[in-house]
Amino acid sequence: GAGVSQSPSNKVTEKGKDVELRCDPISGHTALYWYRQSLGQGLEFLIYFQGNSAPDKSGLPSDRFSAERTGGSVSTLTIQRTQQEDSAVYLCASRTISGSFLFGPGTRLTVL
Amino acid sequence: AQSVTQPDIHITVSEGASLELRCNYSYGATPYLFWYVQSPGQGLQLLLKYFSGDTLVQGIKGFEAEFKRSQSSFNLRKPSVHWSDAAEYFCAVGSYNNNDMRFGAGTRLTVKP
Repeated sequence: GAGVSQSPSNKVTEKGKDVELRCDPISGHTALYWYRQSLGQGLEFLIYFQGNSAPDKSGLPSDRFSAERTGGSVSTLTIQRTQQEDSAVYLCASRTISGSFLFGPGTRLTVL
Repeated sequence: AQSVTQPDIHITVSEGASLELRCNYSYGATPYLFWYVQSPGQGLQLLLKYFSGDTLVQGIKGFEAEFKRSQSSFNLRKPSVHWSDAAEYFCAVGSYNNNDMRFGAGTRLTVKP
């Protein structure tokens, strides 16, 4: 596609439920990143995928968070047993050939 | 590990006035530096980037930034601000493959009529 797409655009869930957030990067971009943006906060790095290498998971805040990337393309970020502090906008980005990031529109997650 | 500091959380300028947003970074090697803008309800858009060469880089929407290695800074400037520039601005630093790119906390710009 022409850009990075994310789904759903909004997700409201109850505390304790699991959620899955999807990212479709730009075709051919081998690097994919997940960031979290909490209200009034900057961007918090979560995880990074590069080709077939092991992902860099150093930013995941707890073991309730996990992510996978299937076939080097689509990525899914899973949050288990959601907590209210997980409420944020989750941003996916793919890296362009020039080295800059192209961000998706984000998924706004609200945990009640 | 690298880090980025944006000292100003919120800046207010009058329309037509000049603007400078500060960004300081900490990085052990040659940094790749970026400025992104996030308008209300919009995604992040790249304004400009510095990889090497001329330390004064031009971006979209009339923005420019200057890389000063001695000061570890990459400040964003615009000579005359427009009301449509009201947004959140993020500075970022990365390496050549950006597998460890980090963003600052952002500066919110308000433009007064």
